[in-house]
Amino acid sequence: GQNIDQPTEMTATEGAIVQINCTYQTSGFNGLFWYQQHAGEAPTFLSYNVLDGLEEKGRFSSFLSRSKGYSYLLLKELQMKDSASYLCAVRDDYKLSFGAGTTVTVRA
Amino acid sequence: ETGVTQSPTHLIKTRGQQVTLRCSSQSGHNTVSWYQQALGQGPQFIFQYYREEENGRGNFPPRFSGLQFPNYSSELNVNALELDDSALYLCASSPVAGGTTGELFFGEGSRLTVL
Repeated sequence: GQNIDQPTEMTATEGAIVQINCTYQTSGFNGLFWYQQHAGEAPTFLSYNVLDGLEEKGRFSSFLSRSKGYSYLLLKELQMKDSASYLCAVRDDYKLSFGAGTTVTVRA
Repeated sequence: ETGVTQSPTHLIKTRGQQVTLRCSSQSGHNTVSWYQQALGQGPQFIFQYYREEENGRGNFPPRFSGLQFPNYSSELNVNALELDDSALYLCASSPVAGGTTGELFFGEGSRLTVL
C-alpha cells in the first residue's frame, strides 16, 4: 500500500521561506513529485526528484532522501500568489499516489 | 494551460443515475489517467489507459469504467451514482506511458455533485 504524509496547513509571511515536509512509505518508488493546486484549479507540476539530493528551480527547491522516505519542498521569497495547496506524490510503475496536500497561506 | 480539456466542468446528478465525463489529452500524449479528488484530499488514482487498453487500476469498484479512443481522448463512466462519488474528477495525460519523468498534465477537472 501507499502512505504519504504531509502537514495539513502552514502559514507564512510574504517574502519569507517555508518548508513543506513529506514522508512516504510505498510499495514501489519511481520518483517523487510536487504539484501546486490553487483552489478550484488543476494541479500544476512543480518538481521531480528520483535521485537523492536537492533540485533547484527558481524560487522553488525540492529535496529527496530515498533511504529515509523523506522529501521537502522549499518555497523562497514567498509571494501572495503562492497561497495554494501543495501536493506530494510518489510514482510507482504507472500511477501517482498523492498525499492529502498542505495548504499554504501567505500573509502580507 | 496544459492542453488537457475536460467536459463538463460542473454537473449535478441524483443518486442511482449514471454519468459520463470526457477528456481530450494533450497533443502527442497517448496515456490518459483519471483521478478522483474529494474535498480537502489529494487525488486518488482510478485507472489509466494506454493505446486504448486499461493498463492499471486503483481501488475503485467496477461501476467506474472508462474508454480511450484512437485519437487518445477518453471517457470516464460511473454507474449507480452514490453520494460519496461527489468529487472533482481529474483527467491527466502523459507521453508514452510516463515518458522520462512520469510527469502528468492535468485538466481543470469535472466537478460532480450527487444529491
